[in-house]
Amino acid sequence: AQRVTQPEKLLSVFKGAPVELKCNYSYSGSPELFWYVQYSRQRLQLLLRHISRESIKGFTADLNKGETSFHLKKPFAQEEDSAMYYCALTGSARQLTFGSGTQLTVLP
Amino acid sequence: NAGVTQTPKFQVLKTGQSMTLQCAQDMNHEYMSWYRQDPGMGLRLIHYSVGAGITDQGEVPNGYNVSRSTTEDFPLRLLSAAPSQTSVYFCASSPDWSTDTQYFGPGTRLTVL
Repeated sequence: AQRVTQPEKLLSVFKGAPVELKCNYSYSGSPELFWYVQYSRQRLQLLLRHISRESIKGFTADLNKGETSFHLKKPFAQEEDSAMYYCALTGSARQLTFGSGTQLTVLP
Repeated sequence: NAGVTQTPKFQVLKTGQSMTLQCAQDMNHEYMSWYRQDPGMGLRLIHYSVGAGITDQGEVPNGYNVSRSTTEDFPLRLLSAAPSQTSVYFCASSPDWSTDTQYFGPGTRLTVL
């Protein structure tokens, strides 16, 4: 079975501070990992995926297979980053499994 | 392109009533899916489809039926609504069944009394 754990339901940081949203996964094979984001009154949308090794809106995420983690990081948080963030995984079943989400609030 | 559309946006049902949540996409995507979003539980997959005429169960299929008669439409049916089905429902689609980059609809907020 595949499982995604996001240990923080709520996370608050000040503008300009670094932010890290934690994501741990459980899967026996080689997973594909994603971060999705839902801004207020907007649809859920893809933020980034590990296979692309890209940086979107200043966010990066590194897959650590040893620690089975895929934490999302940004060196300097902005108020517009306030949103709900979901870590997600697909495995051999090609079904997307989501974590429970972290609500990020960036304070002015 | 309208993308993924869902109707209705809001719905209140009484226990035992039935209804269909509509989902449509105009991107010619083969893969479509339904999720429910509950506080503290994230999004859980209800049913999915890899193409017209093909559907399969996800993590929480009980109480829900789906069909996929066309590529564009993927309705979700509640045959006998229960309070436990109070949730926000999201439909999503992607170009193929690899599920990379799913495109989500705006959601339907359902309350079952």
